Amino acid sequence: DTGVSQDPRHKITKRGQNVTFRCDPISEHNRLYWYRQTLGQGPEFLTYFQNEAQLEKSRLLSDRFSAERPKGSFSTLEIQRTEQGDSAMYLCASSSPVRGVDEQFFGPGTRLTVL
Amino acid sequence: DQQVKQNSPSLSVQEGRISILNCDYTNSMFDYFLWYKKYPAEGPTFLISISSIKDKNEDGRFTVFLNKSAKHLSLHIVPSQPGDSAVYFCAASDGGTSYGKLTFGQGTILTVHP
Repeated sequence: DTGVSQDPRHKITKRGQNVTFRCDPISEHNRLYWYRQTLGQGPEFLTYFQNEAQLEKSRLLSDRFSAERPKGSFSTLEIQRTEQGDSAMYLCASSSPVRGVDEQFFGPGTRLTVL
Repeated sequence: DQQVKQNSPSLSVQEGRISILNCDYTNSMFDYFLWYKKYPAEGPTFLISISSIKDKNEDGRFTVFLNKSAKHLSLHIVPSQPGDSAVYFCAASDGGTSYGKLTFGQGTILTVHP
């Protein structure tokens, strides 16, 4: 399968715990995005990388959130001291603007539940 | 501040008829618009897009119309098929074709009945 993969698919944690999600983009894609989706809403942009550089961060990304893409390939999103309001679907997408149109391909998401 | 709005949470149509999904936006800087389809337990899948320099783009059964003066776009699906049943998201960007981050609407659940 050469699509975007995310791990884990589901995560249940207790409030105050730290969690880390991983995203593996399509191999030739140099852009990688993180979005968050809550029930009844569309995805909300969190941050994106071009290669290993983090180019933009949403104000939704509080100090408890950090994202990395150390070698310009896979990316991790860490949430420290989780809160119940962090419960959501976390979506990763990748793209390759060299194709002209920057079509973003989404992974299946990681569903986080904070108890 | 909801910059992209899909005011119809759901739409139900008969197989073979036309489905029209609507989207409104408020940010006049948006210059590229996309529609995504999402099935349960999957990520959104790109469907069709349109640049602000156009007012219509067609791809098979799918056509997107853009009315910049009204800040409104719509997705037409003709003829509708049961496999089209999914959540449809409208999205917008201010980065042109190399658009970067997307701003999504809330989604519309489309149900196509056989």
